[in-house]
Amino acid sequence: DTGVSQNPRHKITKRGQNVTFRCDPISEHNRLYWYRQTLGQGPEFLTYFQNEAQLEKSRLLSDRFSAERPKGSFSTLEIQRTEQGDSAMYLCASSLEQVAYGYTFGSGTRLTVV
Amino acid sequence: AQSVTQLDSHVSVSEGTPVLLRCNYSSSYSPSLFWYVQHPNKGLQLLLKYTSAATLVKGINGFEAEFKKSETSFHLTKPSAHMSDAAEYFCVVIQNTGFQKLVFGTGTRLLVSP
Repeated sequence: DTGVSQNPRHKITKRGQNVTFRCDPISEHNRLYWYRQTLGQGPEFLTYFQNEAQLEKSRLLSDRFSAERPKGSFSTLEIQRTEQGDSAMYLCASSLEQVAYGYTFGSGTRLTVV
Repeated sequence: AQSVTQLDSHVSVSEGTPVLLRCNYSSSYSPSLFWYVQHPNKGLQLLLKYTSAATLVKGINGFEAEFKKSETSFHLTKPSAHMSDAAEYFCVVIQNTGFQKLVFGTGTRLLVSP
């Protein structure tokens, strides 16, 4: 297990199209997080899973966004009807139960909506 | 709610000179604090963490940070900068409203000149 894996690394899409990103966390981590990072800003929390349950969603996550974590393993983040404002780096992270140990982040998926 | 403020958006140093990246925190109780580093087109990497043990925390690549409750600060330092230290640095706190999650500062870009 080499860490948190995210695919694809880059995605360019036309406005109005749907996109889906995948995150494979560290296998023994039961917590999984999605963050969004725009240029010049720190990452902002989007949503959180404990095993397969989605326990919290940020107000940043509009109705066009949906995330799943079937069977508590990998997770997907889907954006429907993409807008130019969705252009950002989407980061996935995972952690053990003790958040004080910190998160392990993936390299992210950079989305560009044209 | 817990939060962090990074006092400088950019810091420029010469190779071989000391590095100081400043972070103040806001918390009603003893916080858990982290520093993460993000190199261009790379994921976030944990540099060090403070979880109410020793106030001087040593991290990777020669970085360290000191927790000062009286000043509500958690500044990151390194005695001698290397070119490879050029990156974005984020001060991070655990926020406990709802569930525990990491909340990031806005980041400090460290520039290292020869």
